Amino acid sequence: DAGVTQSPTHLIKTRGQQVTLRCSPISGHKSVSWYQQVLGQGPQFIFQYYEKEERGRGNFPDRFSARQFPNYSSELNVNALLLGDSALYLCASSASGTYDEQYFGPGTRLTVT
Amino acid sequence: AQSVTQLGSHVSVSEGALVLLRCNYSSSVPPYLFWYVQYPNQGLQLLLKYTSAATLVKGINGFEAEFKKSETSFHLTKPSAHMSDAAEYFCAVSEVQGAQKLVFGQGTRLTINP
Repeated sequence: DAGVTQSPTHLIKTRGQQVTLRCSPISGHKSVSWYQQVLGQGPQFIFQYYEKEERGRGNFPDRFSARQFPNYSSELNVNALLLGDSALYLCASSASGTYDEQYFGPGTRLTVT
Repeated sequence: AQSVTQLGSHVSVSEGALVLLRCNYSSSVPPYLFWYVQYPNQGLQLLLKYTSAATLVKGINGFEAEFKKSETSFHLTKPSAHMSDAAEYFCAVSEVQGAQKLVFGQGTRLTINP
């Protein structure tokens, strides 16, 4: 079975630009969460979507937005990029979106110059 | 809010030696605890999960962790280190208040010396 997939693998953007990252969950999983991992730190929660509804968001500015599609795939959008947005963006999926384990994708490495 | 503290940002052991990575958590409710491993330039892989069924949890690759409520700890161990264990290890607690959210520690980088 395919795991969580993310695209693109790497991305280089300029300050002020906008970026869209994509995630496909494990088949049958209805929950998708996004995390930001800055170099040398643990991942930080950005969003969770379950059944196309936003369940919650972490302490991130409104420049960050996301959505989930009917096939449960998800997009993370970041507007007005800052140098500090450079990070590994991880997508995780889970079946029930509650206490079950989350499975992570390989991540998208975003570099903002 | 729940939190996780990993003691030691860097642990170095010899091949064949015991691996001990420390994790302490803070939670106002019975916690769900996880250990994840991250190899260079990769995502996170689930090693094991504690869900209150048993205090000693066995995971993949020979790792296990013991939940100790009195010490609010969930340390990760492996009896004999292998070179392939070199990676970054993250302890996390699951918080479900509206959203399913993993709160991670800062991570411990494990180095294996030949």
